[in-house]
Amino acid sequence: SQTIHQWPATLVQPVGSPLSLECTVEGTSNPNLYWYRQAAGRGLQLLFYSVGIGQISSEVPQNLSASRPQDRQFILSSKKLLLSDSGFYLCAWRSGSSYEQYFGPGTRLTVT
Amino acid sequence: SQQGEEDPQALSIQEGENATMNCSYKTSINNLQWYRQNSGRGLVHLILIRSNEREKHSGRLRVTLDTSKKSSSLLITASRAADTASYFCATVNTGFQKLVFGTGTRLLVSP
Repeated sequence: SQTIHQWPATLVQPVGSPLSLECTVEGTSNPNLYWYRQAAGRGLQLLFYSVGIGQISSEVPQNLSASRPQDRQFILSSKKLLLSDSGFYLCAWRSGSSYEQYFGPGTRLTVT
Repeated sequence: SQQGEEDPQALSIQEGENATMNCSYKTSINNLQWYRQNSGRGLVHLILIRSNEREKHSGRLRVTLDTSKKSSSLLITASRAADTASYFCATVNTGFQKLVFGTGTRLLVSP
């Protein structure tokens, strides 16, 4: 069966520090991968998605970036965090043949 | 950007009652999906309804879709305390690559 992992689960970082969040998927190959951010009490905002290694589509211009160095690995990064980057970050995957997305447990990021 | 808008934003009911949540969207879709999110957790896929379908059932869930009104509803029958969560609708665009989520309905089911 397929599983999706995210780490860390929680993170507290100062303004201006770098960020690296990692997401990995097991049990499937060539998944479509997604990064979302959820502000408190709000819906999900799509940040990036990837249909293959090295292929990244950005939805929201900001100081975040994403990379997909391996088929089942998706990384969200920032060189300098802003207060507004605080939120709940969710990674998700879907197979190319279906529409349903499967979400990881999320990372709670607090920028202080 | 948010396409779907859920209504109501919050709903509080007793166990055994039915819960109905509504979702409106703005553009043409391929399908609409409903997800559940327990507090502080990831989202869980509940049900998918295609644009050429009008109603779909899964256990205690019933989803309807009215493409002429660009709206959908999720009915949870005989609710349980374990149904307490936020519920989101999400639409799939014609390119099929992305889900666009609504703002969610927070459901509280009291024992």
